[in-house]
Amino acid sequence: AQKITQTQPGMFVQEKEAVTLDCTYDTSDPSYGLFWYKQPSSGEMIFLIYQGSYDQQNATEGRYSLNFQKARKSANLVISASQLGDSAMYFCAMRDGRGSNYKLTFGKGTLLTVNP
Amino acid sequence: ETGVTQTPRHLVMGMTNKKSLKCEQHLGHNAMYWYKQSAKKPLELMFVYSLEERVENNSVPSRFSPECPNSSHLFLHLHTLQPEDSALYLCASSQDQWARDTQYFGPGTRLTVL
Repeated sequence: AQKITQTQPGMFVQEKEAVTLDCTYDTSDPSYGLFWYKQPSSGEMIFLIYQGSYDQQNATEGRYSLNFQKARKSANLVISASQLGDSAMYFCAMRDGRGSNYKLTFGKGTLLTVNP
Repeated sequence: ETGVTQTPRHLVMGMTNKKSLKCEQHLGHNAMYWYKQSAKKPLELMFVYSLEERVENNSVPSRFSPECPNSSHLFLHLHTLQPEDSALYLCASSQDQWARDTQYFGPGTRLTVL
């Protein structure tokens, strides 16, 4: 079964508008971490934001915020005030496991295009 | 140099060649990783090293051989590859292997096997 599901292969947004990228996850471990990465066409995977399973508040990093709904097992990324440079692939990832065997599992990604 | 660096950035090799990919992290991390990213597929974890010891080998063919001489350097030795091995190979590092430890990635090596 897929552990990370990103249902939007592609999204379009107008510059300066906000956009939400969806991510749902599946795990039976009570302790896990959720991550969002951005991958521009250059290939580098850039870390954006992290949410821990026990964190009480939704994570925020500048224009990025994570809408964490634990009961629904969703961790959507919200990008406010989109910029042209935000056009890239966005990957949701989860790290769970036990002992020293934590694995980072990625979703298939969402291609975001910001229109001028 | 800061962060995670990878060399070369691009590599074209024949099926009979032997080449190596290099990764170096300047973050003082204890864990390093190799990932493969093929077109239209999620990232696949290949190898994990923690404190220079291999802790994960994710059913990777033996034509890929990792080496971690110290906690800052990671190599991926390639020999007799197949065209389907063409992909972006990403190296990453994290402080340790706990769930909350963020993995930081290098820019990747784009490999083409002819």
